[in-house]
Amino acid sequence: EVQLVESGGGLVQPGGSLRLSCAASGFTFSRYSLSWVRQAPGKGLEFVSALSSGDGVSTSYGKSVQGRFTISRDNSKNTLYLDMGSLRVEDTAVYYCAREQSSGYTLDYWGQGTLVTVSS
Amino acid sequence: DGVMTQSPLSLPVTLGQPASISCRSSQSLVHSNGNTYLNWFQQRPGQSPRRLIYAVSNRDSGVPDRFSGSGSATDFTLKISRVEAEDVGVYFCMQGTHWPYTFGQGTKLEIK
Repeated sequence: EVQLVESGGGLVQPGGSLRLSCAASGFTFSRYSLSWVRQAPGKGLEFVSALSSGDGVSTSYGKSVQGRFTISRDNSKNTLYLDMGSLRVEDTAVYYCAREQSSGYTLDYWGQGTLVTVSS
Repeated sequence: DGVMTQSPLSLPVTLGQPASISCRSSQSLVHSNGNTYLNWFQQRPGQSPRRLIYAVSNRDSGVPDRFSGSGSATDFTLKISRVEAEDVGVYFCMQGTHWPYTFGQGTKLEIK
């Protein structure tokens, strides 16, 4: 069974940093591209970042987080990361990690999410 | 980035009645490979999104056959033939043709 379990969320002050983790199981982690998608309270879904399979050489970021967030992976630990810096109030959201289907063009499995609250 | 527009944003439905949600893209979702990558997700209250439909009309394993997807190019529809209580939640469309993936605003389905 495919499982994605996020952790690392919490309360952080504006301008602060946080690292999110996504522990994966039930599939060959290194073979899949992975993404972070967020959902602000009461709002819709927003793409945050994506990372290619294998050594994760190819990355992409949403415009609102470009230059502040960094996505990475550790295939030996079956874990995806999102390092978030220069956090803003508007980054407050539930952050989901999601797996890209092997054939691409869709996200087939999602984690349960972790809440990040940016507030003073 | 492509803009996905859903309607309606709120959908009260009587149990056993059909429901329909529209999703329109600001650009064609026909990929250069000829395929169209439009997905539908269901988010029940307090849960993470669950994919229902991929590539316009392909139902995921375990998804009841009362859910169906259709459409082409820029206009797509999710239909529920007979709404059940467990269908309550928010439904999102997502395009996977153009990078980055983008989502519709969501349609909240509730029981009348």
